[in-house]
Amino acid sequence: DQQVKQNSPSLSVQEGRISILNCDYTNSMFDYFLWYKKYPAEGPTFLISISSIKDKNEDGRFTVFLNKSAKHLSLHIVPSQPGDSAVYFCAASGYALNFGKGTSLLVTP
Amino acid sequence: NAGVTQTPKFRVLKTGQSMTLLCAQDMNHEYMYWYRQDPGMGLRLIHYSVGEGTTAKGEVPDGYNVSRLKKQNFLLGLESAAPSQTSVYFCASSLAGSTDTQYFGPGTRLTVL
Repeated sequence: DQQVKQNSPSLSVQEGRISILNCDYTNSMFDYFLWYKKYPAEGPTFLISISSIKDKNEDGRFTVFLNKSAKHLSLHIVPSQPGDSAVYFCAASGYALNFGKGTSLLVTP
Repeated sequence: NAGVTQTPKFRVLKTGQSMTLLCAQDMNHEYMYWYRQDPGMGLRLIHYSVGEGTTAKGEVPDGYNVSRLKKQNFLLGLESAAPSQTSVYFCASSLAGSTDTQYFGPGTRLTVL
């Protein structure tokens, strides 16, 4: 059973606007969460992470928010750029990483 | 510093054939992982290793074997390939456990006819 869920398979956003990618998890034992970005024909690359002791982590244009009570996290990209077009995977740390199915983000000029 | 490399990049097999996928990392990482990615399924862990000489099963280990004879290499074997093993295979490594950043290779696209 999928323990990490990304319910939006795709998202389209205009350049300069905010992109919000969502992720839900079911296992309350998860205590570390990561976002990976993947371009076609490449391996995923690490983007940003957050520990369960925090509710927000920022890195430049990327911010991850964690709501433990709702078992929900989100990735905000502001401002969105065409180069951000990729598939974004949410992952939660157990004995190994549990990945969601990914959300394909398209940023249009 | 090449990071994580995978060999081969593409392969086509017939049902019942065997093959080995090679993963190499030059970052002196202890942990290594094999994932498969299928359309609409995200990445699923096949096997992983927490150090030289160790291996452990992941979420979808059936039909695969692995070996970690050297710290820098992690091999994934298919003894008798099946069409259900058609997938893109990614190798990853990390310095420590799953809370540490995993670095991924470029992937191997395998088709089993």
